[in-house]
Amino acid sequence: GENVEQHPSTLSVQEGDSAVIKCTYSDSASNYFPWYKQELGKGPQLIIDIRSNVGEKKDQRIAVTLNKTAKHFSLHITETQPEDSAVYFCALLNQAGTALIFGKGTTLSVSS
Amino acid sequence: NAGVTQTPKFRILKIGQSMTLQCTQDMNHNYMYWYRQDPGMGLKLIYYSVGAGITDKGEVPNGYNVSRSTTEDFPLRLELAAPSQTSVYFCAAEMRTGELFFGEGSRLTVL
Repeated sequence: GENVEQHPSTLSVQEGDSAVIKCTYSDSASNYFPWYKQELGKGPQLIIDIRSNVGEKKDQRIAVTLNKTAKHFSLHITETQPEDSAVYFCALLNQAGTALIFGKGTTLSVSS
Repeated sequence: NAGVTQTPKFRILKIGQSMTLQCTQDMNHNYMYWYRQDPGMGLKLIYYSVGAGITDKGEVPNGYNVSRSTTEDFPLRLELAAPSQTSVYFCAAEMRTGELFFGEGSRLTVL
């Protein structure tokens, strides 16, 4: 079945640095790859997504890149700020295209 | 504009007890989901529903049941609670864009 591996599990950066989180997958026909951010005590929220007909998508300080041939997609956060500290999840669609399968998450800590 | 509402927020159960986690959405969306979140394990799909009267199993359905009698409500039933069901449970509804809108979670402890 679908499986998505997410790395690293934890990431610590200094304020202003960039952060990159990568997800790899296998056995998936997904054409939709979203990223969610979860702040402490809250439910996850969508921050950016990409569909398979696009290689890169950018929204201010965050960007997502997709390489369907190599089966990986990445989240890039530039000029990190303390409020970027959270858990980030990548996801993709299950085989039926009816539900999202999530990675195990990356805990990002941005220190000032 | 409540979005997705989950109750209760916290609950402690004894082994073998049963309970229902409630989830209600006011966005009139057809697709709804239940995930559980364990430390370091991400979000695992328990059950989902593509519309009233239709439910389907996710990755980890054992020990749970769901029903979807209305578009608004998607309750998750735990029968014979076990310590392995200690977790944070999230209900979500899917918007037309494909985005999942999550509730704030229900933290369940089984002792």
